[in-house]
Amino acid sequence: AQTVTQSQPEMSVQEAETVTLSCTYDTSESNYYLFWYKQPPSRQMILVIRQEAYKQQNATENRFSVNFQKAAKSFSLKISDSQLGDTAMYFCAFRGTGTASKLTFGTGTRLQVTL
Amino acid sequence: SQTIHQWPATLVQPVGSPLSLECTVEGTSNPNLYWYRQAAGRGLQLLFYSVGIGQISSEVPQNLSASRPQDRQFILSSKKLLLSDSGFYLCASEREGNNEQFFGPGTRLTVL
Repeated sequence: AQTVTQSQPEMSVQEAETVTLSCTYDTSESNYYLFWYKQPPSRQMILVIRQEAYKQQNATENRFSVNFQKAAKSFSLKISDSQLGDTAMYFCAFRGTGTASKLTFGTGTRLQVTL
Repeated sequence: SQTIHQWPATLVQPVGSPLSLECTVEGTSNPNLYWYRQAAGRGLQLLFYSVGIGQISSEVPQNLSASRPQDRQFILSSKKLLLSDSGFYLCASEREGNNEQFFGPGTRLTVL
């Protein structure tokens, strides 16, 4: 079974600064997908970024980018130029390659962006 | 893009009462559908998933059941709610072959 670990329960960053959220996972599969989801106070889960394990290039979506280290089973999220609207819980998630495969979530990191 | 609707948004029910939560999807056909539960301050746990009408797979044994009467409709039910059924329930939809799950706004269930 896969496991996803987020070791930072809470983090804080000042507006316009950069912050990195950590995620490690464990799997015996060679191909899989990794995701970061954002959950603001509304509790809507919003997909931030995805990474396919067979792609070596790190995914980037505007101010969000990942550092994917397959050998180390590490998948960190970097948020550049942090904005107040980035305040939320951030969840790292793993998905296998089955036709219908569940997402295995970490326990989340609560990010607070301050003035 | 697909849109996922869930209702009700909030529900307070007594122990032993029945439950029906509904999820409907727009903007895609034959999606994979998922029901997750989120306990307070924690990640999501998969309850059920469905790859088509009438096809339901359960991840964990529990007091709940799911049904998919139509292609884009997914229902979570219980005959008798327990206190432990309280939580935030999220429906997710995944386009066939896409591997990205998009979530509805969720239902907050409180069992008293």
